[in-house]
Amino acid sequence: AQTVTQSQPEMSVQEAETVTLSCTYDTSESDYYLFWYKQPPSRQMILVIRQEAYKQQNATENRFSVNFQKAAKSFSLKISDSQLGDAAMYFCAYRSEWEGGSEKLVFGKGTKLTVNP
Amino acid sequence: DGGITQSPKYLFRKEGQNVTLSCEQNLNHDAMYWYRQDPGQGLRLIYYSQIVNDFQKGDIAEGYSVSREKKESFPLTVTSAQKNPTAFYLCASSNAGGAIYEQYFGPGTRLTVT
Repeated sequence: AQTVTQSQPEMSVQEAETVTLSCTYDTSESDYYLFWYKQPPSRQMILVIRQEAYKQQNATENRFSVNFQKAAKSFSLKISDSQLGDAAMYFCAYRSEWEGGSEKLVFGKGTKLTVNP
Repeated sequence: DGGITQSPKYLFRKEGQNVTLSCEQNLNHDAMYWYRQDPGQGLRLIYYSQIVNDFQKGDIAEGYSVSREKKESFPLTVTSAQKNPTAFYLCASSNAGGAIYEQYFGPGTRLTVT
């Protein structure tokens, strides 16, 4: 079974600085998808960024980018120019398929990001 | 506006009672999911449904039941057999069969059982 590990339970960053959140995963599959979700205090889950494993180019969405290292099974999230609104729990997720071709997301335990003014 | 609604936001029940959590979506998504979130545990999949009248157990299905009679609705019943029902419950939906598709989440229901 696939597993996702987020080794940093908590991180903090100064406003306008850059922070990197770590994620590693374990899988025997060659094709899969990876996601970073954000959960602010409202607890609404919001997709931040996604990465297809077959793409070598790292995904970027405005101030958010990933460092995808397929061989190392690593998928870190970099937040540039951190803003107070970035404070949230961040979850790394792996998309797996099980029998029948349906979808399943496996989540890490999350990293709580604090942004200091 | 399209989206997922979960009601109520907070739910309180006495131990031994069954309780049903509502999840409705108007995104025309085929697949729907129920997750449980506990502090320090991330999200764990309870049940999943790809099409109407069909659903599959996730990683922690014991003590829960679901139905999928309509495409838009996927209610979750927390039965008295669930030993630790107090948690935050999230419903999600997605298209199925695409190359890549994200899961859209509802606002969640906080269930407290005493």
